[in-house]
Amino acid sequence: GNSVTQMEGPVTLSEEAFLTINCTYTATGYPSLFWYVQYPGEGLQLLLKATKADDKGSNKGFEATYRKETTSFHLEKGSVQVSDSAVYFCALSTSGTYKYIFGTGTRLKVLA
Amino acid sequence: EAQVTQNPRYLITVTGKKLTVTCSQNMNHEYMSWYRQDPGLGLRQIYYSMNVEVTDKGDVPEGYKVSRKEKRNFPLILESPSPNQTSLYFCASSRSSSGTDYGYTFGSGTRLTVV
Repeated sequence: GNSVTQMEGPVTLSEEAFLTINCTYTATGYPSLFWYVQYPGEGLQLLLKATKADDKGSNKGFEATYRKETTSFHLEKGSVQVSDSAVYFCALSTSGTYKYIFGTGTRLKVLA
Repeated sequence: EAQVTQNPRYLITVTGKKLTVTCSQNMNHEYMSWYRQDPGLGLRQIYYSMNVEVTDKGDVPEGYKVSRKEKRNFPLILESPSPNQTSLYFCASSRSSSGTDYGYTFGSGTRLTVV
């Protein structure tokens, strides 16, 4: 079945460091891929998405590229801020299944 | 403001006492869904609805019921709550009835404790 695997957290970085959070997926067909962010005490917010191979999603300095050959959708940011501290979820959905599959989440902590 | 509104935000209840968590969206979205979030397990889908009067089970539907009588509302019902249903619950909606390309808008969550 479909699945999403994210790197284990927590990830702790200093402010202005480069961020990578790995995400790989298993899916039949051609899924859409998403990154969501959850700040403390809040619901998840859509951060970015990509709906076909080689698409790059970007938002708020974050970006991720849909790589079909490696079944990956890694999240990157060139310079993190303390305000980026949150839990990040990778997710996929496949047309016709009406279901989203979420990864287990990766907690990011950015130190000043 | 476009949003998904869940109530209550926090709830402590006793085993076996029926409860309902309400969810309402003001975006005219066709697709709505309920998730529970547990440490180490991420988000797991409980039920989803493609449109009014159309619902289906997600991955963990046991012990839950839903209804979709109107497009905007999608309540989650626990007929006889048990301690293993203690969790953080999220309602979400999406523009597309196929629920794929647009992503979700999430509510702020309901933290439920069953004692």
